[in-house]
Amino acid sequence: KAGVTQTPRYLIKTRGQQVTLSCSPISGHRSVSWYQQTPGQGLQFLFEYFSETQRNKGNFPGRFSGRQFSNSRSEMNVSTLELGDSALYLCASSLSGDSYNEQFFGPGTRLTVL
Amino acid sequence: EDQVTQSPEALRLQEGESSSLNCSYTVSGLRGLFWYRQDPGKGPEFLFTLYSAGEEKEKERLKATLTKKESFLHITAPKPEDSATYLCAVQAPGNQFYFGTGTSLTVIP
Repeated sequence: KAGVTQTPRYLIKTRGQQVTLSCSPISGHRSVSWYQQTPGQGLQFLFEYFSETQRNKGNFPGRFSGRQFSNSRSEMNVSTLELGDSALYLCASSLSGDSYNEQFFGPGTRLTVL
Repeated sequence: EDQVTQSPEALRLQEGESSSLNCSYTVSGLRGLFWYRQDPGKGPEFLFTLYSAGEEKEKERLKATLTKKESFLHITAPKPEDSATYLCAVQAPGNQFYFGTGTSLTVIP
């Protein structure tokens, strides 16, 4: 069974640009969550999508947005990039996102903002 | 406020030297506590889920336990390949996940 895939694996952007990251969950998984990981803050929850609807949202500015498609694939968009957005962005999928469902992570997209 | 704290931040062990990692949490209505292993440049790899106080789970040299306020990840006779960052996460009502900042484990041959 293929795992969670994320593309691209690495990105370099400049301040003010926007970026779109993609995540393909494990086949059959309907819940996709996004996290930002930085050395100082650890993993911070961005948002969760389930059946094309945003079900949960963390404390990030509106520059961070996402969506989920009917095949459960998800994209995350960051507009007007800032230096502080440099991080590893991780996507995790689970069967339904309910309790008792483990999350499985992709390898992440390393975003560097110059 | 829901919070997860892991200690120590870093741990160096000799091969075969057993130890424990701690994850303390404050969350109302815990739905599950998760342990992950993360290698450099990779996403976290799922290890265990614990749901209620008193529960224990084992996998090879790892054993996870849970109380009402904290969880321990015991590592018995570690090997160099156990070197990684170990992350703890709690699932709160509403399906929110809160992660600790991790314990970086180095096992020296």
